Amino acid sequence: SYELTQPLSVSVALGQTARITCGGNNIVSKNVHWYQQKPGQAPVLVIFRDYSRPSGIPERFSGSNSGDTATLTISGAQAGDEADYYCQVWDSEGVFGGGTKLTVL
Amino acid sequence: EVQLVESGGGLVKPGGSLRLSCAASGFDFSNAWMSWVRQAPGKGLEWVGRISSKTDGGTTDYAAAVNGRFSISRDDSKHTLYLQMNSLKTEDTAVYYCTTLIVPDVFDVWGQGTKVTVSS
Repeated sequence: SYELTQPLSVSVALGQTARITCGGNNIVSKNVHWYQQKPGQAPVLVIFRDYSRPSGIPERFSGSNSGDTATLTISGAQAGDEADYYCQVWDSEGVFGGGTKLTVL
Repeated sequence: EVQLVESGGGLVKPGGSLRLSCAASGFDFSNAWMSWVRQAPGKGLEWVGRISSKTDGGTTDYAAAVNGRFSISRDDSKHTLYLQMNSLKTEDTAVYYCTTLIVPDVFDVWGQGTKVTVSS
């Protein structure tokens, strides 16, 4: 089965750029989606199909996908961006990465 | 406003059954593809299964971990999605989320979740 690898944690200084990676074999051949989950809340879609933003998601959130790594980039990170972030693809079934805890310092 | 409200969670013994419901509003439910995703305590997200719209055949797909034990259905007249869970195991303990799908594989809008605990 297809596996997605994410770092357990990423830290970023307030106002700086955070990058969260999602590794998978030839992931560039797949559509990658990203979800934000704050404690005690349901996940929220923040990026779909590699780089598209749903309505209401700030432009600070962007995505890219190349080779074996997809990346979620958060520019000008804010305290409210502290959350768990999950990448996801479809490979005959829904597959999620293990999640990355983003800390804004 | 798109809204999904899950219900039906609770405590059940191993080997037991439970049916979850997801009441949908604010969108064209009958033409929507829908999905269930779960999250075990302190763990990550896990896809459970999906169902297409009736016009797309009403077909279902399931994760290997639940295939043959869980069943997804829909009642378009009631704008409600269901998850029938049989032969429950302790590892099925999780919060279960109902989601809409941007066809075929993007989990767009999520409900608030309903908690299922499988324990003796």
